[in-house]
Amino acid sequence: DVKVTQSSRYLVKRTGEKVFLECVQDMDHENMFWYRQDPGLGLRLIYFSYDVKMKEKGDIPEGYSVSREKKERFSLILESASTNQTSMYLCASSGQAYEQYFGPGTRLTVT
Amino acid sequence: SQQGEEDPQALSIQEGENATMNCSYKTSINNLQWYRQNSGRGLVHLILIRSNEREKHSGRLRVTLDTSKKSSSLLITASRAADTASYFCATSSSGSEKLVFGKGTKLTVNP
Repeated sequence: DVKVTQSSRYLVKRTGEKVFLECVQDMDHENMFWYRQDPGLGLRLIYFSYDVKMKEKGDIPEGYSVSREKKERFSLILESASTNQTSMYLCASSGQAYEQYFGPGTRLTVT
Repeated sequence: SQQGEEDPQALSIQEGENATMNCSYKTSINNLQWYRQNSGRGLVHLILIRSNEREKHSGRLRVTLDTSKKSSSLLITASRAADTASYFCATSSSGSEKLVFGKGTKLTVNP
């Protein structure tokens, strides 16, 4: 079974802090994705990566950056956290098929 | 760039009844997928239907796709309390690994 893990289920950070969200997949998938999910807005794509060191902006990249140094790991970075980045963050991966496999999510609160 | 829109936003039924959810989208697609999300968790892939397919079955799930109307439906037959979750449609365009998600239908199955 594909397993996608995220470093934290719950995270509380202060405004202005640098925040790292880590995602690891164990199926040698080429593609990895970061979404945020907010009530009434559904899932919105922040960034995705189709190979090591390759990345593309999604629909809402402002305030975020990403890093993919190894195939199995995709990190989302909030350079200076703000309260409007309080959200559920979901990581996913996919291989040659189109279906995506999701991690359990990280609920981030920025105070 | 929200693509899919699910209808209804919320649905409440009794155990044993069938549940039907609809999804409409705006542009040409390569495939359409349905995902389930239990409260506060990651999404789980349910079924994928390609643009050249009209109907697909998986267990108690039946998905239809009408590309002329740019719409899809998900039918869950003989529903169970464990089917209580949010259901999302997601579309993929040709040549893209990205998925665009709708806002979801929240299904409640009452015992």
